[in-house]
Amino acid sequence: NAGVTQTPKFQVLKTGQSMTLQCAQDMNHEYMSWYRQDPGMGLRLIHYSVGAGITDQGEVPNGYNVSRSTTEDFPLRLLSAAPSQTSVYFCASSLSRTAYNEQFFGPGTRLTVL
Amino acid sequence: AQSVSQHNHHVILSEAASLELGCNYSYGGTVNLFWYVQYPGQHLQLLLKYFSGDPLVKGIKGFEAEFIKSKFSFNLRKPSVQWSDTAEYFCAVVLSGGYNKLIFGAGTRLAVHP
Repeated sequence: NAGVTQTPKFQVLKTGQSMTLQCAQDMNHEYMSWYRQDPGMGLRLIHYSVGAGITDQGEVPNGYNVSRSTTEDFPLRLLSAAPSQTSVYFCASSLSRTAYNEQFFGPGTRLTVL
Repeated sequence: AQSVSQHNHHVILSEAASLELGCNYSYGGTVNLFWYVQYPGQHLQLLLKYFSGDPLVKGIKGFEAEFIKSKFSFNLRKPSVQWSDTAEYFCAVVLSGGYNKLIFGAGTRLAVHP
């Protein structure tokens, strides 16, 4: 198993550009989520999905879109990048949507918006 | 809103010293508690978790944590740290009975000197 994979590892954008951060898992996990990590703030939940076709907002959803057309993939879209979105982005997955499951994290994408 | 507080942002220890990292959460209901570790350049990994039962839980690499319900605390301990424990440590909470939406503390950066 590759676990949770993310691409790209690094990305530099200019303000206003759009891009998609890819996330995939090969563990047949039901639940997937996106977090952003900022210095001194820990990780904050952006969006999550409890299954294919079902997504919802987390703590900091503004400026981001998600979709989940398959169990395996959960891409995060930045429609118009802003410097405030400079961060490290982590995708995570767990077997079930319930609160009793370990979440497995991907290696992260470091995004800089100029 | 629920929150997680980690009291120490930076901790510096010598090898063989004892470690205790504080974590408090603000939520009156039933929670599940986690400690994650992020080694330099790596993704988050689960150290240990508490759902119910014995409030003293043991995790990987000699770490343990004690859940004190009356103090809303879940402190992480290790009797003797090693240089390889240098990492950032995150306490996280998820509300029992809800979805697997982790609420993270800001993290504690631990540096262990030989």
